[in-house]
Parts: sequence; C-alpha cells; structure tokens
Amino acid sequence: DAGVIQSPRHEVTEMGQEVTLRCKPISGHNSLFWYRQTMMRGLELLIYFNNNVPIDDSGMPEDRFSAKMPNASFSTLKIQPSEPRDSAVYFCASSVVSQPQHFGDGTRLSIL
Amino acid sequence: SQQGEEDPQALSIQEGENATMNCSYKTSINNLQWYRQNSGRGLVHLILIRSNEREKHSGRLRVTLDTSKKSSSLLITASRAADTASYFCATDAIGNSNDYKLSFGAGTTVTVRA
Repeated sequence: DAGVIQSPRHEVTEMGQEVTLRCKPISGHNSLFWYRQTMMRGLELLIYFNNNVPIDDSGMPEDRFSAKMPNASFSTLKIQPSEPRDSAVYFCASSVVSQPQHFGDGTRLSIL
Repeated sequence: SQQGEEDPQALSIQEGENATMNCSYKTSINNLQWYRQNSGRGLVHLILIRSNEREKHSGRLRVTLDTSKKSSSLLITASRAADTASYFCATDAIGNSNDYKLSFGAGTTVTVRA
C-alpha cells in the first residue's frame, strides 16, 4: 500500500500565480480531507469529501480556494490567485468513513 | 476551530523516562484519537479510544479518557529517541451521523534526549 500520495512536495511561486495541489487517496477509502498547517493556526480542516461529494467546505478561507474530487482516486486543491498568507503546509488525508485518517506527507507551499 | 487543547505545549525528557501529555475538549464526542507527527512528515494515527472506554493500551502507549472531565491523557513509557515528535489529540463531535470530521488540538512537542 503506497499510502496517500501528494504532489508536489514543495512549491515556491510568486503571489498572483495559480497553485494546484494534488492528492491520490488510498484505494478503497471513501473519505478525503484537505488540511492546512501553520505555526500560528495549527492544523485546520479546509474541506472534506465523502464518496467524491463535498460535505463540508466551511473551512475554505475564501473564494480564492477551490477543491475538486472528479473520481475516487484523485483530488485537487487550487488557489487562484495565491497570496503570501497562503504559505503553509497543505495535507491530504483519506479514510474509510468514521475510521482513523491516513495522511500524506504534505505540500510545503511558499508564496513570495 | 480547535476543540482539543494539549498540555503541555512542549516536553523534554531523558531516554527511558515516561512522557505524559493531556488533552482537553469542549463538546461531547464519539471517540478521541491520538496522532504523531515527525518533522516534515504527515500525521500518523496512534490509537483511538471510544467514549464508552476509559483506558486503552497499544505497545508502550497508554491512553485514558474521562468524559466527565472532557479530558484524555497519553502516556509513552520507556521513551526512545525515535519518540521525538509532535503529538496531537483529535475529536469528532456527536451530532450529524454523516459528519466525520475531526478537530485537532495544537499539539505537544516531545523531545527525547539520548
């Protein structure tokens, strides 16, 4: 089992650019979560999906953030346009509904 | 929002000593989970304790849950250098049966000195 796979591992870009983060959940998991981790705010849930359907996006900070899950094996988190305050580590996690979550190793995003 | 709050924020111990950290939460829960995060890595699930359980063991880990005080503790016995990490508690709130999101605390950073 390869675990949750996130790409890229690191992203450095200039403010105003579009950023797309990618996640491949563990096969058979039907829940997928996107988190953001910063020193100031800790680990924040941005959005989660059950069976590819967004259930709760109340954590998405603003309209510049969007997430999609076109199929059970792929999800994207997009920021457009990006701002320096979006700099953080973004994690994707997956699980079988109500079971412990499995995290990827994250994407470290730096917006200059 | 962060429902779980860990205490202490940081802990430094000698190899072989025990490490204890606490978690307090605000609302009624179905279960409470503990996760570990090594530097530069994602969180790894350690142990889950259900609201009707009071204590659970897994290897060198011991977790207690006191729902009357809305608190939990994680004990790592005979610590090793490899236990150096941040430890987070996470809770899911009783409510909508379709709502399985977790609220994570700010974490306890544990340093085990050789």
